[in-house]
Amino acid sequence: GAGVSQSPRYKVAKRGQDVALRCDPISGHVSLFWYQQALGQGPEFLTYFQNEAQLDKSGLPSDRFFAERPEGSVSTLKIQRTQQEDSAVYLCASSLVTSRNTGELFFGEGSRLTVL
Amino acid sequence: EDQVTQSPEALRLQEGESSSLNCSYTVSGLRGLFWYRQDPGKGPEFLFTLYSAGEEKEKERLKATLTKKESFLHITAPKPEDSATYLCAVQARGDYKLSFGAGTTVTVRA
Repeated sequence: GAGVSQSPRYKVAKRGQDVALRCDPISGHVSLFWYQQALGQGPEFLTYFQNEAQLDKSGLPSDRFFAERPEGSVSTLKIQRTQQEDSAVYLCASSLVTSRNTGELFFGEGSRLTVL
Repeated sequence: EDQVTQSPEALRLQEGESSSLNCSYTVSGLRGLFWYRQDPGKGPEFLFTLYSAGEEKEKERLKATLTKKESFLHITAPKPEDSATYLCAVQARGDYKLSFGAGTTVTVRA
C-alpha cells in the first residue's frame, strides 16, 4: 500500500499478557518512530530507528517495552506483562529523511490497546 | 525539556467565522515547528513546517506563523470539513523526536 500500515488496529489484552504491535512503513523510508497517544493528549515519543539501528529509545516507559526493526523495514513494538496504564493508541510514523534533518512524518492509523 | 502548550483546548466555530489557534513552546534551540491535523480514529497528517521566526506558510484556508516563543494557526472562513484536532510539535536541534502539544479540537458548524 501507499501509506504506513499498522496491525492490529484494535487489541484487547488481559493484565499481565504480552502484546506485539506491527508497523509496515512506506517503502524506502529510512526513519521510523513509535509514539504513544493517551486519550485527549498529543503523541508521546517512544523510540526511533534509522534503518535497522535503534538510535533513541529514551521514551520507552519501562523495560517491559521493547522495539525492533531487524531488516530496516517492518518494525514490531512488544509490551510484556501489560498493565492498565499501557492502554493507549500506539502510532507508528515513517520518514524518507534521517530525522535530524527534519522532514514530513507519515503516520499510520494506530493500534488501539486496551488492557483490562 | 522541550515544552509545547496549545490553547484553547477546544474551539467551536460557525462556518465562515475565522479564528486562530495558539502554540507556545520552549525548546533548547529550535530545529523546526510542525503543525499536524488529526481526525478521529486516524493518525496525524502533516500540514506545515516552520523553521525561523517571521516565517509564514499557507495551505487553502490555513496559515501558520512563527515567532521566537509561539506559533499561530489561522483558519480563514472555515468549513465543516476543517473540523479536526490540530497538533503542534517542536523538534530541537540535534534531536530526533518531535515533542507534541495536547492539541486544539476545532468544530465547525454549518
